[in-house]
Amino acid sequence: DTGVSQDPRHKITKRGQNVTFRCDPISEHNRLYWYRQTLGQGPEFLTYFQNEAQLEKSRLLSDRFSAERPKGSFSTLEIQRTEQGDSAMYLCACKTERLTDTQYFGPGTRLTVL
Amino acid sequence: AQSVTQPDIHITVSEGASLELRCNYSYGATPYLFWYVQSPGQGLQLLLKYFSGDTLVQGIKGFEAEFKRSQSSFNLRKPSVHWSDAAEYFCAVGASRGGGADGLTFGKGTHLIIQP
Repeated sequence: DTGVSQDPRHKITKRGQNVTFRCDPISEHNRLYWYRQTLGQGPEFLTYFQNEAQLEKSRLLSDRFSAERPKGSFSTLEIQRTEQGDSAMYLCACKTERLTDTQYFGPGTRLTVL
Repeated sequence: AQSVTQPDIHITVSEGASLELRCNYSYGATPYLFWYVQSPGQGLQLLLKYFSGDTLVQGIKGFEAEFKRSQSSFNLRKPSVHWSDAAEYFCAVGASRGGGADGLTFGKGTHLIIQP
């Protein structure tokens, strides 16, 4: 257990529905990252927050994807109008500002779009 | 842009035998390199990391990795594997220490199977 929690752990939805995932990072870890991992692939970076500021979002897969971190603590990732191709594991990671620190990953949310 | 290649999709090793997992990276500057392990139903766990200095780095669970700039490689090794080492292993490169604004770039992973 890395101390990073994600909710829900599993989500099954129908195509066209909106879904929202939550990530609670380790307290005092001001950097937060979202990744997507599809079957047989490594995680793919999506977006990054430093405190509440979203400093990188060009890697979000489409305009159906959005993320927030309103108070610089927990973060949410929303997918609107889900498609079957969105089925994947969505991972959250966090780290501190320390140079030698690394990203600590949560257990992920597995999304299945029917 | 950085990239990572893990040439072996699957590797099968007998319990007690030595292990080497290959990783090649592409990056225009000094890379920051990581190995993570992912077991079924578990999150990614960091095994070891390289930022600078000694090119042979030690990690958890008896793993080590060697950074070879001339070969653009960061291969993971273990002298004697245990059945509990069966998992998916990912090599990753960061554009700055800890991933920075670009996050980490991962390889596709190597699935390690341990034979009794």
